[in-house]
Amino acid sequence: DVVMTQSPLSLPVTLGQPASISCRSSQSLVHSDGNTYLYWFQQRPGQSPRRLLYKVSNRDSGVPDRFSGSGSGNDFTLKISRVEAEDVGLYYCMQGTQWITFGGGTKVEI
Amino acid sequence: EVQLVESGGDLVQPGESLRISCAASGFSFKNYWMGWVRQDPGKGLEWVGNIKQDGSETYYGDSVKGRFTISRDNAKSSLYLQMDSLRAEDTAVYYCVKGGTLDLDYWGQGVLVTVSS
Repeated sequence: DVVMTQSPLSLPVTLGQPASISCRSSQSLVHSDGNTYLYWFQQRPGQSPRRLLYKVSNRDSGVPDRFSGSGSGNDFTLKISRVEAEDVGLYYCMQGTQWITFGGGTKVEI
Repeated sequence: EVQLVESGGDLVQPGESLRISCAASGFSFKNYWMGWVRQDPGKGLEWVGNIKQDGSETYYGDSVKGRFTISRDNAKSSLYLQMDSLRAEDTAVYYCVKGGTLDLDYWGQGVLVTVSS
């Protein structure tokens, strides 16, 4: 299985300041079709997960442009350029290149 | 608007069976892979399995293989998860998800399954 390792586990943030979450995979996430199936999900308190980014860096419809994704191979990053109060919650990376596995989650809190 | 509404969650005893359902709307259900993901507060998110558009292929995570069965009814835009030989460690919130491994996007609100004596 592909193991996804997120860091940090907890991320205290300051409103208006940037924040960054790391996600590393135990093997390359480059699929045989050439795409890299790395996703980021946000789970606000009391809600189900919502997809923010797909294939590393593509933002879903309605996702603010303060969220961005980068990386390649087995090293990826989610960045929030300026944290807002509504960004509090859990963030998960997920790979779909070889079945599906999730990172352990990062709790973003003010 | 895509909507996925799960139902059927319950408290059951170890060794018992339970079937949960997901009613889909807002998209052409028959054209998409569908799946289930569960969330245990202590263990995070775990992929349960998924099913091809016509139901001809199903895939499962190692922890549920041989005990859980995913099926679908495209005429009713519905997805099902039959869970047999339930164990305490199957206790979780179960989410219906739209898409397969390469295009998972929307999640339902989740349904709680508790396995306890």
